[in-house]
Amino acid sequence: EPEVTQTPSHQVTQMGQEVILRCVPISNHLYFYWYRQILGQKVEFLVSFYNNEISEKSEIFDDQFSVERPDGSNFTLKIRSTKLEDSAMYFCASSIQIVQETQYFGPGTRLLVL
Amino acid sequence: KQEVTQIPAALSVPEGENLVLNCSFTDSAIYNLQWFRQDPGKGLTSLLLIQSSQREQTSGRLNASLDKSSGRSTLYIAASQPGDSATYLCAVVSSRGSYIPTFGRGTSLIVHP
Repeated sequence: EPEVTQTPSHQVTQMGQEVILRCVPISNHLYFYWYRQILGQKVEFLVSFYNNEISEKSEIFDDQFSVERPDGSNFTLKIRSTKLEDSAMYFCASSIQIVQETQYFGPGTRLLVL
Repeated sequence: KQEVTQIPAALSVPEGENLVLNCSFTDSAIYNLQWFRQDPGKGLTSLLLIQSSQREQTSGRLNASLDKSSGRSTLYIAASQPGDSATYLCAVVSSRGSYIPTFGRGTSLIVHP
């Protein structure tokens, strides 16, 4: 069964460094998402992406964040200058349509900012 | 702003029991509601998606119902098994202009043999 994959599974970085989290969505899906989950907290929506453009973004998704689909398969989340509070699990998801279809989640990247 | 609440926060039951997990939301203008399962340190697995026009969805031992007017959904797990132990999350997509899902905190379920 097709699945969403994410790399790396874990990343440790120093405050102020740039990180890029990578995702490979399911191949026939058109909508892509990033979420984060701070330890012990709710899953929070960051951004949705369709047709090489951001569709929606939350208040969390400020200028430090950016997303890109650099080729036909990868979908990346970049954090330009990491802060301690960016430490969280980051999930990528994809769906065929934006609203009426199930979202399929990847296993996540655990980011620790020191 | 949509708020999603899940009750109870934690549940521990013996194997074989039938369970009801609750999800409530403050704004009834929704597109859909989705139930997920999350195992410790892992991603989310979609269990059931209920569209706003539907009243319930079933998959195996799972049944989810939706009452939009009262802002509630329940996830019914029949004949629980130790493998059902996980955190169960509900997420609501509002229909007021954006498609941003709002998640609840989840119900942490332990089914002991």
